[in-house]
Amino acid sequence: SQQGEEDPQALSIQEGENATMNCSYKTSINNLQWYRQNSGRGLVHLILIRSNEREKHSGRLRVTLDTSKKSSSLLITASRAADTASYFCATDAYNDYKLSFGAGTTVTVRA
Amino acid sequence: DTGVSQNPRHKITKRGQNVTFRCDPISEHNRLYWYRQTLGQGPEFLTYFQNEAQLEKSRLLSDRFSAERPKGSFSTLEIQRTEQGDSAMYLCASSLGQDWTYEQYFGPGTRLTVT
Repeated sequence: SQQGEEDPQALSIQEGENATMNCSYKTSINNLQWYRQNSGRGLVHLILIRSNEREKHSGRLRVTLDTSKKSSSLLITASRAADTASYFCATDAYNDYKLSFGAGTTVTVRA
Repeated sequence: DTGVSQNPRHKITKRGQNVTFRCDPISEHNRLYWYRQTLGQGPEFLTYFQNEAQLEKSRLLSDRFSAERPKGSFSTLEIQRTEQGDSAMYLCASSLGQDWTYEQYFGPGTRLTVT
């Protein structure tokens, strides 16, 4: 079974707009990561946030984590056509290295 | 290219046949993972290795599935007596294996179609 749930399932935005997606999970975590997957291809690691962190930035990405609500958000600013992809959150538990993924948010950036 | 590689990229097989997939991780990574992904879903964990030791197997990994990682380098995933429900993308990932590193690096996947 999947640990996380992303919301929304799909998102369509205009190039230059910001995209925000959310992830909720069920059990305590050690880290939460976000991955991107282009159509039919492997996953690319975007960013990792540890359970004792609340916010992290990487380029145009901003991730927040609220462990009390068991939720995270990923913000992509100034979106580009190349950001069109599916985005997954993945969690791991303390001393457990396997990842539990959500079902993903499909983002379409219109030119 | 020093990323994770998987072969073959696509496999079409008839129900009941055996198939084997190969994964070559990033060379200095000692953890290797297999995941399965079906259409519209996120990857689901199957099994993982630390060096040559298989440390965990998911309940998804029925007795028709076997994975090996001889000498702690490449890994193979074999599915015996394939069923149509085995059709999926099989993803391999590797990670450095230090206690503080959790990022996993994924290969392009092997897409299996069972007819």
